[in-house]
Amino acid sequence: DTEVTQTPKHLVMGMTNKKSLKCEQHMGHRAMYWYKQKAKKPPELMFVYSYEKLSINESVPSRFSPECPNSSLLNLHLHALQPEDSALYLCASSQDPNTDTQYFGPGTRLTVL
Amino acid sequence: AQKITQTQPGMFVQEKEAVTLDCTYDTSDPSYGLFWYKQPSSGEMIFLIYQGSYDQQNATEGRYSLNFQKARKSANLVISASQLGDSAMYFCAMREGQAGGSYIPTFGRGTSLIVHP
Repeated sequence: DTEVTQTPKHLVMGMTNKKSLKCEQHMGHRAMYWYKQKAKKPPELMFVYSYEKLSINESVPSRFSPECPNSSLLNLHLHALQPEDSALYLCASSQDPNTDTQYFGPGTRLTVL
Repeated sequence: AQKITQTQPGMFVQEKEAVTLDCTYDTSDPSYGLFWYKQPSSGEMIFLIYQGSYDQQNATEGRYSLNFQKARKSANLVISASQLGDSAMYFCAMREGQAGGSYIPTFGRGTSLIVHP
C-alpha cells in the first residue's frame, strides 16, 4: 500500500479566511513533505518533517504554518493568503528522510479569491 | 546551472509505439538517485521508476525502463507500447546524497506526453 491521502481535493478561500489542508499516510513513513505546484511547473518544496520534527522550511511565508501531530498526519494551516498562493498543494512521504522514494498524495487545488 | 534538464517540453507518440523522454542531470556527488514521476491532469504525482547511481543494471518496471548512461549523465525514460492513459506530464527528479541531511529532490521542468490513437 503506497497511499497518501489529502483532504480536501478542492478549496476556495478568501484572503481573510483560515483553513487547513490535511495529509495522511499509514505506511509507517517517518518523513513527510509539503510541495506547492503552479500550473505547468515542477513542484516546489515547502517543508520537510523528519520524525515529526520540522527539519526544512524553504523560506516559506508565515501565512503557511505546517503541523505534524503524529507520524501519520501532516497539516498545513493557511491564514491571510494572497491570490498568488493559488496552486496545487501536494503532500508526500518517504520511509525516512534519507530514503529515496517519495510517494505523493492526489493534492489539494487551492484557489484564493 | 540546472541540476535536472528535460529538453522536450512536449512529445507526441502513436498508440502502441515506444517513446523516449530525455533527462540529463548535473551533480558532483558520487551517490545520487534518479526518479521519474507521471502527473496526469488530475494532479497526483505517480512514482514510476528509480535508478541509483551505483546500480549496475538499468531499472525496469513493467512498460517503463530507464536508460541510465552515467558517463553522459543521462537518465532517459523509455515507455514501450504506449497507451492512451500514458498521456500526462512526466518529471525527472534527482536526489543527491547529503550526509546527515534530509532528502531534498530536484525536479526537472517536465515533459508533456500526448499519446494519439
